[in-house]
Amino acid sequence: GENVEQHPSTLSVQEGDSAVIKCTYSDSASNYFPWYKQELGKRPQLIIDIRSNVGEKKDQRIAVTLNKTAKHFSLHITETQPEDSAVYFCAAINDYKLSFGAGTTVTVRA
Amino acid sequence: GAVVSQHPSWVICKSGTSVKIECRSLDFQATTMFWYRQFPKQSLMLMATSNEGSKATYEQGVEKDKFLINQASLTLSTLTVTSAHPEDSSFYICSASRLAGKPDTQYFGPGTRLTVL
Repeated sequence: GENVEQHPSTLSVQEGDSAVIKCTYSDSASNYFPWYKQELGKRPQLIIDIRSNVGEKKDQRIAVTLNKTAKHFSLHITETQPEDSAVYFCAAINDYKLSFGAGTTVTVRA
Repeated sequence: GAVVSQHPSWVICKSGTSVKIECRSLDFQATTMFWYRQFPKQSLMLMATSNEGSKATYEQGVEKDKFLINQASLTLSTLTVTSAHPEDSSFYICSASRLAGKPDTQYFGPGTRLTVL
């Protein structure tokens, strides 16, 4: 099955700085890579996704890059704000099943 | 659109009892529904996948006799935790993919917090 590794496990940034979270996946058949933000006790919220035929996608302050050859994808958050503080999960889909990374707890310091 | 609900949002039960959790897609028909378990400060782990009218497919290591999953229709899936024990206490989240839409996009329910005493 698919194995998704995510780093770092925790990330503390000053408000206004950028945050970068990196993930790797093992199965070259995976073709869809969503990123989720989860607040304590809540459902995961899809914040951005990328498909395997695209190298980069941006939505306002959030961007995702994908390197299929290296089986590596990353989330970039620019101009971080206190409301960006949450747990972020990367995921990969293979055969319609989502495999999640371990999560990154992001804390934005005011 | 694409709203998924779960009921109850939280439940406390005694050890040895069974608990049923419902997952409904409110405004769309779901091809497939998924059940995840999330322990505190951990990631979501897929437990099983259900499709209407067929038996659920369980992930390795998930006891199918303990976690009964049934998809009765294109809008309802249920998870029954039988003979619950304290180690089953967790956050259970369902998701659904749309019948008419991108099959790999999953819409998540709000989760059910199960506490077994």
